[in-house]
Amino acid sequence: GESVGLHLPTLSVQEGDNSIINCAYSNSASDYFIWYKQESGKGPQFIIDIRSNMDKRQGQRVTVLLNKTVKHLSLQIAATQPGDSAVYFCAENIGGNNNDMRFGAGTRLTVKP
Amino acid sequence: DVKVTQSSRYLVKRTGEKVFLECVQDMDHENMFWYRQDPGLGLRLIYFSYDVKMKEKGDIPEGYSVSREKKERFSLILESASTNQTSMYLCASSLLSPRGETQYFGPGTRLLVL
Repeated sequence: GESVGLHLPTLSVQEGDNSIINCAYSNSASDYFIWYKQESGKGPQFIIDIRSNMDKRQGQRVTVLLNKTVKHLSLQIAATQPGDSAVYFCAENIGGNNNDMRFGAGTRLTVKP
Repeated sequence: DVKVTQSSRYLVKRTGEKVFLECVQDMDHENMFWYRQDPGLGLRLIYFSYDVKMKEKGDIPEGYSVSREKKERFSLILESASTNQTSMYLCASSLLSPRGETQYFGPGTRLLVL
């Protein structure tokens, strides 16, 4: 399933399925993007990042895709597990030494056993 | 392993009280940030600091001040707490770089102002 991560929508998937979470970013000059995972009651945790000179980056069970033409970022989670249940949000760096980041509101992923 | 700690996980304060939120990072990062997080709004930047004794306003600085006397420590101060400052407060730190750098977050402080 897919979901747009701007107003905390919910994505529900079955354990073992793949998840796709989407994010539309705002600034065409943004050059660095991060996906964070936030579990209930905890701070955001870094998952994966990508710079604007790439269009795909893979980690362990996660892949980030960047489409600069339409200013779109997605996070793919392979073989989703119950421990993946959390809020996921994207962040874009809009430039400068001060690391000015803008954050999406997030998508709540629920994994059903 | 990167580590950002915040002094309190939960705080309950009364309207008009002065509130101090402390954040410490052990990564020797130049940049430190304070955000608030409210449902459906995402993270909003209150203040950030790129060096000791330096501070810059973020998007919503009204009602807040900050202090950075040491590189590893960044404090957020609510001079006179109000009920609309009830929120989750997150501290983060990052390297100073002309390129974007990952911001590492603390566990958050959930503040309730009565």
